[in-house]
Amino acid sequence: NAGVTQTPKFRVLKTGQSMTLLCAQDMNHEYMYWYRQDPGMGLRLIHYSVGEGTTAKGEVPDGYNVSRLKKQNFLLGLESAAPSQTSVYFCASSPGTNLATDTQYFGPGTRLTVL
Amino acid sequence: GQSLEQPSEVTAVEGAIVQINCTYQTSGFYGLSWYQQHDGGAPTFLSYNALDGLEETGRFSSFLSRSDSYGYLLLQELQMKDSASYFCAVRSDTGGFKTIFGAGTRLFVKA
Repeated sequence: NAGVTQTPKFRVLKTGQSMTLLCAQDMNHEYMYWYRQDPGMGLRLIHYSVGEGTTAKGEVPDGYNVSRLKKQNFLLGLESAAPSQTSVYFCASSPGTNLATDTQYFGPGTRLTVL
Repeated sequence: GQSLEQPSEVTAVEGAIVQINCTYQTSGFYGLSWYQQHDGGAPTFLSYNALDGLEETGRFSSFLSRSDSYGYLLLQELQMKDSASYFCAVRSDTGGFKTIFGAGTRLFVKA
């Protein structure tokens, strides 16, 4: 099992360019998440999905869009990149609404720089 | 709103015991998680407490008091490889069923 994978690992964009980050999981998890992590800070939730075809806003959704057309994939889009979106982006997945646990499995991250 | 507070840095000696505290403010609380992150790496899950009390997993233990909105992570027999950032995270259903992370505590283990 590969777990959670992210593509690409690194990317440099110019202001105004667009791009899509791909997250894939092979654990048949219901929930998927996109976080951003800025230097010396914690993870901030951008968007998340509780199942195929669903998406919801997190703490910092502005400037991002997401889609979950297939259960195993969760895409994060930046329509017009800004320098403030320079960050490390982590995707995660979890089994679902099991209140006895909240284990999230993280991908290796995508390091994005916007010039 | 929702907020979590944890110390920014903690330093301890190899072989010692260290406790990292976390206080939180949230409605719709379900549980408190702890994650470890080494520099340049991804967060990895350590523990989750939904009920009051102590959960033990090897050298790591986690405690929760729902009435005090407080929890802690206890690391015993510290090793150099434990040097990392540790994040507490609250699971709640306020504004949707999601997890909010604290800013993290950087642990330095000295020889």
